[in-house]
Parts: sequence; C-alpha cells; structure tokens
Amino acid sequence: QVQLVQSGPEVKKPGASMKVSCRASGYNFVRYNIAWVRQAPGQGLEWMGWISTYTGSTNYGQNVQGRVTMTTDTSTATVYMELKSLRSDDTAVYFCARARRYYDSSGHSDAFDIWGQGTMVTVSS
Amino acid sequence: SYVLTQPPSVSVAPGETAMINCGGNNIGSRSVHWYRQRPGQAPVLVIYYDRDRPSEIPERFSGSNSGNTATLTISRVEAGDEADYFCQVWDTSGDHPVFGGGTKLTVL
Repeated sequence: QVQLVQSGPEVKKPGASMKVSCRASGYNFVRYNIAWVRQAPGQGLEWMGWISTYTGSTNYGQNVQGRVTMTTDTSTATVYMELKSLRSDDTAVYFCARARRYYDSSGHSDAFDIWGQGTMVTVSS
Repeated sequence: SYVLTQPPSVSVAPGETAMINCGGNNIGSRSVHWYRQRPGQAPVLVIYYDRDRPSEIPERFSGSNSGNTATLTISRVEAGDEADYFCQVWDTSGDHPVFGGGTKLTVL
C-alpha cells in the first residue's frame, strides 16, 4: 500500500546535527513532492520545507533556513532531512508528508494526503 | 504572511453536529484542506479542496468555504472523532503551506 516510513527516534545534544529519513513505497516516487512538518510537544503543525523528488529543488521555511538540508535518493525512494546546530526548541515530532497538488483560481494548492508515522527528536544536554 | 485562525476548542455531545471554523482574509478565494490528528498519531487528511473527501473518510465529514471563513462540519459525532483538527491553505507567494493553530474537538 501507499506509505511513508520514517527512521526511528533520536536523542541529541545541543549543537549537534540530526538526519531523519522517509522511505516511500506503493506509488511513483518522483510524481509527488515531499514536505517536512514538525510538531513541538503540545503545539501545532509547523512547516519546515519541501523537496521535489523529481528535480531535487527545495523550498525551506524561514524558521529553519540555513540549518536545514533536504535531499532525495530516487534509487531507494527515500527523502532525507538534516537539521544542524540543534537547540532545545527543536525538540519535536518530525513528519514527512506527500504533497498532492490541486489547481485552483489562485494557482495551485497542495494537500498532504499521506504522512509518515513521525520521528521523535529530543534535544537535551 | 497569511494567517489562519481556529478556535482552540469545540465541544459537542455524541450524535450532535460539530462545526469547526477556520478564519482567514478572503479565505474563500483559496482552497482549504483539513486534517484530523488523534493523540500520538500522524495527521490524516479528511477534507481537501474545500469540500472533497478521501474515499476512506465517512460522509459525516463535510467542508465549506466562503468569504473569510472555512468550516469543517462533522455530523452525528462519535467518540472516535475526538481529536485535534487543523486547517491548511497554500501561500502562493511563498509557495508553502500555512496551517491553522488547530482545534481540539471534545466529545462530551
């Protein structure tokens, strides 16, 4: 079936880096962009960025710009998200999500129709 | 940047109808998507393109969007509908999604 499977939980110290993977299966990998969304404990959803699995082009959010790198490996249908210089407020569950594109009067509007199970990342000294 | 406003909480008795609003400037001109997130789980898309439902979502879930308010309506609410609900639109200028702050639906 169509699914995204993420790597396991991580515990990191401040200043360290983390890299979370998101492996897709059950569909044509390069037809859909993948977004990363995180959720701090008890908080809402925060978009971090997206990557085109077809071209590798990216768009990062200002909240993580300069610290985040998203890459794609079409041979394994896997997307990676690396976040550097970790801080305590990076503690969150990190989700990857498949972006399904819809077109409307304003251009396009992507909805996230498939989500990974989430990866808990704890940043603590 | 574009802002979406949701009420923090909505409460409803079983069998009644829950309406969750999502406010934004002229949101009626944008496509709105809705997600349900149960505790400890990933979000699930329940409404896309204002009012369309994925095949696995029951007909009890519906959406509307006009003016400055989009609404997710859940009819004949069940205990299993208790969850956080998030609205989302696309910011075309920045080419990225915008999420509402989320609404916790409590089934009394």
